[in-house]
Amino acid sequence: QLQLQESGPGLVKPSETLSLTCTVSGGSISSSSYYWDWIRQPPGKGLEWIGSIYYRGSTYYNPSLKSRVTISVDTSKNQFSLKQSSVTAADTAVYYCARRFIAAAGFNWFDPWGQGTLVTVSS
Amino acid sequence: DIQMTQSPSSLSASVGDRVTITCRTSQSISNYLNWYQQKPGKAPKLLIFGASSLQSGVPSRFSGSGSGTDFTLTISSLQPEDFATYYCQQSFSTPYTFGQGTKLEIK
Repeated sequence: QLQLQESGPGLVKPSETLSLTCTVSGGSISSSSYYWDWIRQPPGKGLEWIGSIYYRGSTYYNPSLKSRVTISVDTSKNQFSLKQSSVTAADTAVYYCARRFIAAAGFNWFDPWGQGTLVTVSS
Repeated sequence: DIQMTQSPSSLSASVGDRVTITCRTSQSISNYLNWYQQKPGKAPKLLIFGASSLQSGVPSRFSGSGSGTDFTLTISSLQPEDFATYYCQQSFSTPYTFGQGTKLEIK
């Protein structure tokens, strides 16, 4: 059964760079049917899609965050990563990684998700 | 961006009730619409994909319908474990967007 696990610092100072890694176990990240995504949820609020990467390295980003976000993949470690620069308190959120399955006709959905990791931006 | 509007934002219901949650999109997305359930402190869980297809392992009391801009999630007979927050999400175009959530509470 595929599992995803986020890891990284839980506290980041304002103006610094947030760095998280998602480790995929129970399956290969190098599959043609999947993208690998980051989604975040500020405390008590809704969900925001951050961006996505294919195992060959192609990426898609939310335009609202694109100037500050980089998603990368390391197939040798079965991991993908998120870097988000110049963080502010507004970036405080639970960050989830998720697999996005690409079905016929372009239908796609997030499943499964990692358990999430809370990142707080504070000095 | 495609805007997602769920209604109601919160809902009180009793075990055994039939419940319907609505999701409206700002433009037509055919049936590129997914539904998720989230319990406190947990990650969202996929319930429905493609507007009406039930994810494997999800109880049949959950169903989805709709196309274009108007969609519904129905729970035919509420069970205690169904009290949670529900989100719709469009997968038609990037940036993928979610509804604001519907919190389903016990009456």
